[in-house]
Order: sequence, then C-alpha cells, then structure tokens
Amino acid sequence: KNQVEQSPQSLIILEGKNCTLQCNYTVSPFSNLRWYKQDTGRGPVSLTIMTFSENTKSNGRYTATLDADTKQSSLHITASQLSDSASYICVVSASGTYKYIFGTGTRLKVLA
Amino acid sequence: SAVISQKPSRDICQRGTSLTIQCQVDSQVTMMFWYRQQPGQSLTLIATANQGSEATYESGFVIDKFPISRPNLTFSTLTVSNMSPEDSSIYLCSVEKGLAGPSNFQETQYFGPGTRLLVL
Repeated sequence: KNQVEQSPQSLIILEGKNCTLQCNYTVSPFSNLRWYKQDTGRGPVSLTIMTFSENTKSNGRYTATLDADTKQSSLHITASQLSDSASYICVVSASGTYKYIFGTGTRLKVLA
Repeated sequence: SAVISQKPSRDICQRGTSLTIQCQVDSQVTMMFWYRQQPGQSLTLIATANQGSEATYESGFVIDKFPISRPNLTFSTLTVSNMSPEDSSIYLCSVEKGLAGPSNFQETQYFGPGTRLLVL
C-alpha cells in the first residue's frame, strides 16, 4: 500500500535553532517527492520538489534530501524564524498518475 | 506560478443543506483537483476535474454527494450536498503548472487558500 509517514508529529524549537523533519514512504513506482509548508488557515505552498535522480534541493533556509534507495527524505530548516511556525507536509507521487500521497505533516512551532 | 482564489473562505451550515465552493485560477489549466483536509489530518483527494468532461472521483467519494462543475479552463465548483457534521472540513482547490528549471521541466502543485466548512 502506498503510504507516506512523517516524524515527528509535532516539534517545538527556539528561534534561531536548526531542525530536521523526516519523511518515509512506500510509494511505487516513485516519481517525485515534494515538501510543502502550510500556514494555519492557508493552502499548502511548495518548498521543494525532487525526482529520483536528485538527492538534495535547497530553497533559502530549507534544504531537502532524498535517499531513493531507503525511501527516506528529510527537510532541514536552518536558523529558524517565528514565521517558520507551520505544518510541513511531505508528498510523494507515483509515476504515470496524478495521484499524490500526502503525509500527515509535522507541526512546527518556533518560540521567541 | 498560479494564483488561486476560493469562495467562500469559510461558512457555517445546517445539516441537510448544500454548499457550493468556487475556485478561480488566474491562468488556464487543464486539470483542477479538489481536496478535503479534516481537522488534524492530511489532504485527501476528492476528485480530478478536466474541462469538458465529467470529474473523476476517488474511492469513497461520489458524484451525488460532491458534484463538480468545470465550465472553462480557469474555474471550477465543488458542491457539498446534504451536509452532515462529518463533512466539517477544509476544502482545497489545486492545479498543476509547469516549472521550467535550468536543466529540467517539472510540474508543481498550487493550492487555493481553502474553504473552512463547519456543519452543525
């Protein structure tokens, strides 16, 4: 069964600190993996998208990694800011379809 | 990129009634997607809507409950019919658009702000 699991479920960190969010998936055949940021009351916004051949992608202070062999991805946030407080969702798509499998997200809270 | 707006942004409805949610995109797109996000849950795809054809529904969702219209390439509506409290959720409209990079071409997904629905 195609699944995407994220950990931790929630995370609280102090402003300025770094953090890493994890995503494990069992989607096959794999097409691409995306990380989204969803602010409260808003729709998700794309941060990164990686295909099978890419193992790292950066977008400002966000760096995503992908290990297609172990089917794991991580999202690293550097020097966190209060505005990073949001849910971060890992999404994996299967080849040949418009089907996206969404993880349940990690709720990040950054405190001053 | 794509800018998506949804109406209404939120509503409180009585059980047994119906609500139609509108989704407007600032550019023409072939496919539009409707998702549901229940409290504390991830997004679940309801249906995919192509212009000029009937929507394709995912398992667990039926046209009688969630009729969809797609009259043109920039607009779609989702109706939540005969509502019950279990339909309380956020409903999101989404599109895919191409994103040309230096070495490849990828499609990325854009989401509307969502419609928060509470059914009493």
